[in-house]
Amino acid sequence: LAKTTQPISMDSYEGQEVNITCSHNNIATNDYITWYQQFPSQGPRFIIQGYKTKVTNEVASLFIPADRKSSTLSLPRVSLSDTAVYYCLVGGGYQKVTFGTGTKLQVIP
Amino acid sequence: GAVVSQHPSWVICKSGTSVKIECRSLDFQATTMFWYRQFPKQSLMLMATSNEGSKATYEQGVEKDKFLINHASLTLSTLTVTSAHPEDSSFYICSATGTDYNEQFFGPGTRLTVL
Repeated sequence: LAKTTQPISMDSYEGQEVNITCSHNNIATNDYITWYQQFPSQGPRFIIQGYKTKVTNEVASLFIPADRKSSTLSLPRVSLSDTAVYYCLVGGGYQKVTFGTGTKLQVIP
Repeated sequence: GAVVSQHPSWVICKSGTSVKIECRSLDFQATTMFWYRQFPKQSLMLMATSNEGSKATYEQGVEKDKFLINHASLTLSTLTVTSAHPEDSSFYICSATGTDYNEQFFGPGTRLTVL
């Protein structure tokens, strides 16, 4: 199982762009990179998934370099409601995954 | 699409009793389901992996006789905590995936409190 490493916490002011980087040095060839958001006492919610290069959806962008050993989740113009824990997971569908520490993002007014 | 539900959302039971938690995939066939446990301010810890029609595979340190998992259909998996004790109090989360997906879809979680 690919191990992931993320910063434990980050603070950001409202309206700023936030970038959270995750390291996954032992990612396998067929692994996808998926980011989830979790609020207290709720299950993780899917944000975005990618395999290589850049992926963008209505809430975030995901940047993956050519070697795929890291990935960066970009949240544009965060609001207070984006305060949550963000996890990056490496794997694919029916493969079991290991949750790292996640990054606790605190958005400050 | 790809919605997973859990029932109940919270449960309180007495020590020594058993509690069953259901995990359902509402709009897709879940060939694989996972059960996680999360203690306060900690990350999710995988407990077991279940494939429809097969016995669950438990992670090291998870007692299979205490945490009974049944995945009898493509839309339902159950976790039964037998002879629950206060140290089993936790947030239990299931996830599900199918052959058409590259990610897991998580349920809303079940808060178990054992008195």
